[in-house]
Amino acid sequence: DAGITQSPRHKVTETGTPVTLRCHQTENHRYMYWYRQDPGHGLRLIHYSYGVKDTDKGEVSDGYSVSRSKTEDFLLTLESATSSQTSVYFCASRTENTEAFFGQGTRLTVV
Amino acid sequence: KQEVTQIPAALSVPEGENLVLNCSFTDSAIYNLQWFRQDPGKGLTSLLLIQSSQREQTSGRLNASLDKSSGRSTLYIAASQPGDSATYLCAVKGPGDKIIFGKGTRLHILP
Repeated sequence: DAGITQSPRHKVTETGTPVTLRCHQTENHRYMYWYRQDPGHGLRLIHYSYGVKDTDKGEVSDGYSVSRSKTEDFLLTLESATSSQTSVYFCASRTENTEAFFGQGTRLTVV
Repeated sequence: KQEVTQIPAALSVPEGENLVLNCSFTDSAIYNLQWFRQDPGKGLTSLLLIQSSQREQTSGRLNASLDKSSGRSTLYIAASQPGDSATYLCAVKGPGDKIIFGKGTRLHILP
């Protein structure tokens, strides 16, 4: 499997605080993705990146921002966390027209 | 807007049976389709990737087919085993860089 790691793996935070999740890949993949997974909704795309400093919105981008200053790192920031953002967050990466590989997920709880 | 549907949402079959999982998508202009497996509380493991020019891919007891014109893919699992119990997800990549997921089929193999 591709070397893709997410940090932290678990986080509890308070409503209204900013939170940043990190995705790190060692495969020099061009494309990176952030998803959230919720019961009944499956995996929904938040933001994705098609290169350094090149990002775009997915289906559920409100309340989230991303940054990609290096090929290997893709950061997801919850600007002001809300209880509706309690979820499991997954990061993925791929190269051109190849399979996507996923990290192990970050379980975020907003209290 | 691409939509991906997986039916049924859940399936239970006795050990040893062959089974088929279904995936349908609304926009046939896809570049590839990927099948994943997800165990409870875990990340996604890639099973098979089918490019738009291919009709099927095989890996061990798994065979995935793709009919792009009708917007369908199937995942065939031969001689099912209890260890095959998991949620199976399909995902499509279209002309843009987004990867869109179905909600998955939760499979339970009865010993």
